[in-house]
Amino acid sequence: EPEVTQTPSHQVTQMGQEVILRCVPISNHLYFYWYRQILGQKVEFLVSFYNNEISEKSEIFDDQFSVERPDGSNFTLKIRSTKLEDSAMYFCASSGGQITTGELFFGEGSRLTVL
Amino acid sequence: AQSVSQHNHHVILSEAASLELGCNYSYGGTVNLFWYVQYPGQHLQLLLKYFSGDPLVKGIKGFEAEFIKSKFSFNLRKPSVQWSDTAEYFCAVTPSGGYQKVTFGTGTKLQVIP
Repeated sequence: EPEVTQTPSHQVTQMGQEVILRCVPISNHLYFYWYRQILGQKVEFLVSFYNNEISEKSEIFDDQFSVERPDGSNFTLKIRSTKLEDSAMYFCASSGGQITTGELFFGEGSRLTVL
Repeated sequence: AQSVSQHNHHVILSEAASLELGCNYSYGGTVNLFWYVQYPGQHLQLLLKYFSGDPLVKGIKGFEAEFIKSKFSFNLRKPSVQWSDTAEYFCAVTPSGGYQKVTFGTGTKLQVIP
């Protein structure tokens, strides 16, 4: 069964460093998302991406964040200068082949720890 | 914009007990509804979904959910829980038709005691 894959599974970084989280969505999907889950809290929407541009972003997704689909396969989330409060599990998701039904397929997540 | 509320934050049940987790959504139009499950240390997995038709939907592992439009609710049920159902359960909603972002509830932690 096709799946969304994410790397790294866990990254530890110093505050102020740049981090790139990588995702390979399901190959025929058209919509891509990043969500995050701070420990013990709910799953929060960060950004959605369609047709090589951001469709929607939340207020969390400020200028420190960016997304890119550099090669038609990977979908990356970059945090330019990490803060302690960026520590969370980051989930990539994809949806939609020809017709999107809203169902998201999630990767296993990348745990980011900012020290 | 849509929103989702889950009333129970932490539920503890004994094995074989029946389960019902509440979910209410807020949105003015038609919606697609989902329940996702997150087992300890794992990623989110789809449990079941409602798009249209029969408001009683059946998912994996014996779970079912009923969409009651008049109450804006989509409660999750299971007649008899097992220890392996220990997980966090998230209700989610998206407006129907085309692309729309999925909004999650705050989640309910279910602990099943053997």
